[in-house]
Amino acid sequence: SQTIHQWPATLVQPVGSPLSLECTVEGTSNPNLYWYRQAAGRGLQLLFYSVGIGQISSEVPQNLSASRPQDRQFILSSKKLLLSDSGFYLCAWSIRHRDGYTFGSGTRLTVV
Amino acid sequence: LAKTTQPISMDSYEGQEVNITCSHNNIATNDYITWYQQFPSQGPRFIIQGYKTKVTNEVASLFIPADRKSSTLSLPRVSLSDTAVYYCLVGFPYNNNDMRFGAGTRLTVKP
Repeated sequence: SQTIHQWPATLVQPVGSPLSLECTVEGTSNPNLYWYRQAAGRGLQLLFYSVGIGQISSEVPQNLSASRPQDRQFILSSKKLLLSDSGFYLCAWSIRHRDGYTFGSGTRLTVV
Repeated sequence: LAKTTQPISMDSYEGQEVNITCSHNNIATNDYITWYQQFPSQGPRFIIQGYKTKVTNEVASLFIPADRKSSTLSLPRVSLSDTAVYYCLVGFPYNNNDMRFGAGTRLTVKP
């Protein structure tokens, strides 16, 4: 069966520090991968999506970046975090879009 | 991209049927309607997806009228564990960036 792993579960980082969140998928090949962010009490905002290794599409211009070094690995990064980067970050994957997306358990990031 | 409108919140009691309606007046011909459920501090979970008429699975039913400008998620006999935020998404599933989450409907089930 397919599983998605996302870590860490919680993270507290100072302003200006770097960020690296990792997401890996098991049990499937060539998935579409997504990074979402959810601010407190708000809906989900699509940040990046990828249809293959090295292929990244950005939805929102910001100080975040994404990379896909391997087929089932998706990384969200920042060189210098801002207070506004705080939120709940979710990774998701899909194969057949009509079956919807499968989300990871998320990372709650607090920038202080 | 079709915009969706849902009630911000709804209250219900255990054992009742809950119907959450989503309006999507600008839905395109190729768009599908998908519903997700999200519990606090968890990622959303796919519930059901449909294109027209009625779709039913072990969790819920989705009713879509002929004009497809709205849809209704029906949860039979809710329990306390159904307390969550429910999102209605409209978009063409084969466009990777087409499925957008709105603010959702916060359903609270009371004993």
